[in-house]
Amino acid sequence: DTAVSQTPKYLVTQMGNDKSIKCEQNLGHDTMYWYKQDSKKFLKIMFSYNNKELIINETVPNRFSPKSPDKAHLNLHINSLELGDSAVYFCASSPPGSLQTGELFFGEGSRLTVL
Amino acid sequence: AQSVTQLGSHVSVSEGALVLLRCNYSSSVPPYLFWYVQYPNQGLQLLLKYTTGATLVKGINGFEAEFKKSETSFHLTKPSAHMSDAAEYFCAVSEGFGNEKLTFGTGTRLTIIP
Repeated sequence: DTAVSQTPKYLVTQMGNDKSIKCEQNLGHDTMYWYKQDSKKFLKIMFSYNNKELIINETVPNRFSPKSPDKAHLNLHINSLELGDSAVYFCASSPPGSLQTGELFFGEGSRLTVL
Repeated sequence: AQSVTQLGSHVSVSEGALVLLRCNYSSSVPPYLFWYVQYPNQGLQLLLKYTTGATLVKGINGFEAEFKKSETSFHLTKPSAHMSDAAEYFCAVSEGFGNEKLTFGTGTRLTIIP
């Protein structure tokens, strides 16, 4: 009963392909996020959704398209994959009224390798 | 814009020794500050946070951090290192508009020497 679960955990693919990473949280949280962690462990927010609505889009190429079918799911689709997309992608969620808590609940990450 | 600087990408301490991981922040408003820990092949987990009030905050696993406004610092300490503390530690800052605007530092890898 993992709180924030991502699939797949590992993804190896060729340049130019399209791939998706799925994320589900069973915590009842309203807000979900995608973060990208590069090879130097630098962690940067990509997107944030609140109740299925996009609230943050941090200058991510439009090859990346998040989709939130409901507040428990936030999927990430990537078109025309490039070498620089290789990274670990983390999904996270946060509870309502989290202004004072600042606590994000992270999934275990999805390691994407583009060859 | 907010930012975080973690001094030292790698820190090694002996088991039982003091752990000190440094974090300095930049923020245009009173910040909310956080330390997260990442164990190998896992996601990040909140260690502790400072929002308002007491400047010395205690977290899980015996860690604590002190908010020093005059030094714009939020260093993480633990009196006695344990082998299980080996992990990557991330400092993060939010300007209080909701944690969706968390900005992370580049992380410090803590190695414990037996």
